[in-house]
Amino acid sequence: DVKVTQSSRYLVKRTGEKVFLECVQDMDHENMFWYRQDPGLGLRLIYFSYDVKMKEKGDIPEGYSVSREKKERFSLILESASTNQTSMYLCASSTSGTGRKTQYFGPGTRLLVL
Amino acid sequence: AQSVAQPEDQVNVAEGNPLTVKCTYSVSGNPYLFWYVQYPNRGLQFLLKYITGDNLVKGSYGFEAEFNKSQTSFHLKKPSALVSDSALYFCAVREFGNEKLTFGTGTRLTIIP
Repeated sequence: DVKVTQSSRYLVKRTGEKVFLECVQDMDHENMFWYRQDPGLGLRLIYFSYDVKMKEKGDIPEGYSVSREKKERFSLILESASTNQTSMYLCASSTSGTGRKTQYFGPGTRLLVL
Repeated sequence: AQSVAQPEDQVNVAEGNPLTVKCTYSVSGNPYLFWYVQYPNRGLQFLLKYITGDNLVKGSYGFEAEFNKSQTSFHLKKPSALVSDSALYFCAVREFGNEKLTFGTGTRLTIIP
């Protein structure tokens, strides 16, 4: 089975702090994704990566950056956390290639910024 | 541009009754369609997908979905609801050639004992 893990289930940070969210997948997937989930808005894509050191902006990249130094690991960085970044953050991974690929999700990190 | 709509925020169904969770989509080309389920304080779990072929797709936990090209719909169904089916359900779409999935806003399904 595909396994996607996220470093923390719950995080509490203060405004202005730098925050790192880590995601690791064990299926040698090329693609990795970061989403945020907010009530009534569904999931919105922040960034995705289709290869090591490669990244593309999603729909809401402002205030975030990402890092992918190794194939299995994809990090989301909040350079200076703000209260409007309080949310549930979900990581996903998938294979590349034709359209049959399915995204598999981690358990999520619920971030509270005070 | 690709988009997906889940017109119902909340669906309540009595245990043992059939259930339907609605989804409509919009794409420029051929769609790839997905359903995911989220249980409380958990990540999204893949249920089923439509890529091509048979319009009726069977997935996990007795769920199925019917692809209707003329109505641009992909409704999730189950013949007999269980209390354990209570969860948040997301429909998602991707156009051929696009790496990104677009999600609906989710439908909270509550099965009443």
